[in-house]
Amino acid sequence: DSGVTQTPKHLITATGQRVTLRCSPRSGDLSVYWYQQSLDQGLQFLIQYYNGEERAKGNILERFSAQQFPDLHSELNLSSLELGDSALYFCASSPRGGRASYEQYFGPGTRLTVT
Amino acid sequence: GQSLEQPSEVTAVEGAIVQINCTYQTSGFYGLSWYQQHDGGAPTFLSYNALDGLEETGRFSSFLSRSDSYGYLLLQELQMKDSASYFCAVREGEGRRALTFGSGTRLQVQP
Repeated sequence: DSGVTQTPKHLITATGQRVTLRCSPRSGDLSVYWYQQSLDQGLQFLIQYYNGEERAKGNILERFSAQQFPDLHSELNLSSLELGDSALYFCASSPRGGRASYEQYFGPGTRLTVT
Repeated sequence: GQSLEQPSEVTAVEGAIVQINCTYQTSGFYGLSWYQQHDGGAPTFLSYNALDGLEETGRFSSFLSRSDSYGYLLLQELQMKDSASYFCAVREGEGRRALTFGSGTRLQVQP
């Protein structure tokens, strides 16, 4: 158990719909990262938040957005869903500073299936 | 940008030693990390190298050669539970702590 929690574990929805994935980082970690893992694209970085502010963006589609709240939990919103959005979505958090920042702790993931 | 290459699959027998290689191309280098992921599970941090040489953590060791843009993960005394995918990863860039992952090496340990 990494200490990072994600809900829900599984999500099945239809094309065109909108969903929200939730993540709570480990206690004390200020950084939250979202990754998408699919069979053909591997593990891809989407977006990072640090203490409530967006810090970095990766291969995140315009249909996707995220935010980090004052209590440090984060939500990833996926809208106008397409079949190709079906994937595992991981949230990770990392400690502050130095070497520790290279250690990212991943939550159990949310498996999204778009039908 | 960053790119990493690792073999797609490796097979070894229980008790043996296996080496998983990773070569990378980055615009700036800030260290090489290794993660393990069992089927259906989350990636788990294994090790990190910022400087050349070998880092040992129990049965697992990781090596880095910055001049060769190359690293490897060494797994000793293989156990069945080591069957998993192993990913090398580098930071996205200066000031960016997000990780770029290799495509992963699937290790199958046979009895």
